[in-house]
Amino acid sequence: QVQLQESGPGLVKPSETLSLTCTVSGGSISGYYWSWIRQPPGKGLEWIGYIYYSGSTKYNPSLKSRVTISVDTSKNQFSLRLSSVTAADTAVYYCAKEGSADWLDPWGQGTLVTVSS
Amino acid sequence: DIQMTQSPSSLSASVGDRVTITCRASQSISRYLNWYQQKPGKAPKLLIYTASNLQSGVPSRFSGSGSGTDFTLTISSLQPEDFAIYFCQQSYSTPLTFGGGTKVEIK
Repeated sequence: QVQLQESGPGLVKPSETLSLTCTVSGGSISGYYWSWIRQPPGKGLEWIGYIYYSGSTKYNPSLKSRVTISVDTSKNQFSLRLSSVTAADTAVYYCAKEGSADWLDPWGQGTLVTVSS
Repeated sequence: DIQMTQSPSSLSASVGDRVTITCRASQSISRYLNWYQQKPGKAPKLLIYTASNLQSGVPSRFSGSGSGTDFTLTISSLQPEDFAIYFCQQSYSTPLTFGGGTKVEIK
């Protein structure tokens, strides 16, 4: 079955850009929507945005000015870039596949990104 | 944005108890409501999609109901492995939004 794995730096300095990649295995990235979600330590879940395999995107308006999600179908990967980070962006970042009515399944295991100097 | 409100925020229950968690949307979302279970240090796991459809592999003691603005997740007989945090999520419109979570603890 499809599995997702996030990768990227665990520590980012304030004002810099957070960059993460999600690698999809066990299935093709083509034909589906793929999402990024984050969860600050001890808090709830926030949807960041999604990308269709063709490259069309939708972002959360709360983050839209700082977010870019891209896809590389040749590598079966999609990526997240979040610019001008602050401590408030410290969170576990998850990638997930979207179902036909935008449920999220499966999820990657998550990766903790800490914003600190 | 559609606001999702879960209640209670936490509950204590015993093994074998029937547990009900509610989720209310700030506007009608038809049946575009999904439920997830999250255990410590793990990613959320989909339990129920579009209000009442049981995800493959999820035990039948989990069930979901509701439409419009009010939804319910029921665990018919709580098992030790069910102690976790449960989240609802609306998929009626973007941005996708989640409830604040319900922590189910051992009494």
